[in-house]
Amino acid sequence: GAGVSQSPSNKVTEKGKDVELRCDPISGHTALYWYRQSLGQGLEFLIYFQGNSAPDKSGLPSDRFSAERTGGSVSTLTIQRTQQEDSAVYLCASSRTVNYNSPLHFGNGTRLTVT
Amino acid sequence: DAKTTQPTSMDCAEGRAANLPCNHSTISGNEYVYWYRQIHSQGPQYIIHGLKNNETNEMASLIITEDRKSSTLILPHATLRDTAVYYCIVRVARNNDMRFGAGTRLTVKP
Repeated sequence: GAGVSQSPSNKVTEKGKDVELRCDPISGHTALYWYRQSLGQGLEFLIYFQGNSAPDKSGLPSDRFSAERTGGSVSTLTIQRTQQEDSAVYLCASSRTVNYNSPLHFGNGTRLTVT
Repeated sequence: DAKTTQPTSMDCAEGRAANLPCNHSTISGNEYVYWYRQIHSQGPQYIIHGLKNNETNEMASLIITEDRKSSTLILPHATLRDTAVYYCIVRVARNNDMRFGAGTRLTVKP
């Protein structure tokens, strides 16, 4: 079946511009996660959505980062006034439930380059 | 938080079994052990997970010691396409995220 879809796959932007990254989770998955991975580094948790509950924003690095999930499905991660240190691969994942027995399934990410 | 320790890198001959160890000595009773792998330029791929019992699926087997302080991921017949970074993760019950460490870089050689 269809996996997690992310768009665009690559994004190059100038420092100071805003960017929006999109994630389409697997159909029927109630939990959605955003991570980022800097070059040669591990995954860094950003934000988590579960159904209609308030999102867990504990991983967002600054107030320039925000995310929303409309209708419990598609999610958009927005980065305002981008900085060069924002350059990374932004990964989205979804899971069927929040149960810890429910694996996360990842998309292939959006590679963001801030020039 | 339960932390995992994995070797930085391992080699395996094509066609042989790859056995990837992971130590998680501070794991709690309700925390699952998950394995993912990441091939260059792709997102992490789920492999397998378990709580107490050994698990097997079409990709791999997971062997968890009786005291749950360590586990081994087994790829029974490694192929060149299995070359990747393999992550062992203990899913912490009170957090909503998966904490990825540095993983083990497995290189399958012809």
